[in-house]
Amino acid sequence: GAGVSQTPSNKVTEKGKYVELRCDPISGHTALYWYRQSLGQGPEFLIYFQGTGAADDSGLPNDRFFAVRPEGSVSTLKIQRTERGDSAVYLCASSRAGRTGETQYFGPGTRLLVL
Amino acid sequence: SQQGEEDPQALSIQEGENATMNCSYKTSINNLQWYRQNSGRGLVHLNLIRSNEREKHSGRLRVTLDTSKKSSSLLITASRAADTASYFCATDPQGAQKLVFGQGTRLTINP
Repeated sequence: GAGVSQTPSNKVTEKGKYVELRCDPISGHTALYWYRQSLGQGPEFLIYFQGTGAADDSGLPNDRFFAVRPEGSVSTLKIQRTERGDSAVYLCASSRAGRTGETQYFGPGTRLLVL
Repeated sequence: SQQGEEDPQALSIQEGENATMNCSYKTSINNLQWYRQNSGRGLVHLNLIRSNEREKHSGRLRVTLDTSKKSSSLLITASRAADTASYFCATDPQGAQKLVFGQGTRLTINP
């Protein structure tokens, strides 16, 4: 079946603007994760959803970042008042049930550039 | 913050040689996974080793885990140009579903 998809592939915005990044997980996967990867670094965890609820949002850097998953499938990561330091690749992953040891399947990412 | 450190940060070898990458981590874990990333985009899962396992083989890949030293290694034998990528280890700390990644090793296979 189809893998995890993310849109847009690339997003260029100006400092202070609002952006939304979308993730379509693998069909039937109840767990969904957002990570952020800066240049030359490994991905860093942002938030984890189990179904519709955010089970762990401890990685969100500040209150400008929030994410939703209203129907337990598609998720949107929202960034308000973007800053240049938000520039990174935002990766989404899903897993079947969110159990320890499950493989997380990653999407291709959205490359965000804040000018 | 990132949990692990990979060593080396960059590795360049000739095609056909073996490549060894190491990963160290800080906290107790349930599992350790290795991922490959091409061109800074999506990650591909390579292997998972559980905390009670010491070694796993999958094709040309061999993964080891030493929980007493909080370290793991990934060996790629008979390397190919297509193996050129960044390789990351990731742990799932006990009690958490998230993955904590190292900084990665950039592997270049020269034809």
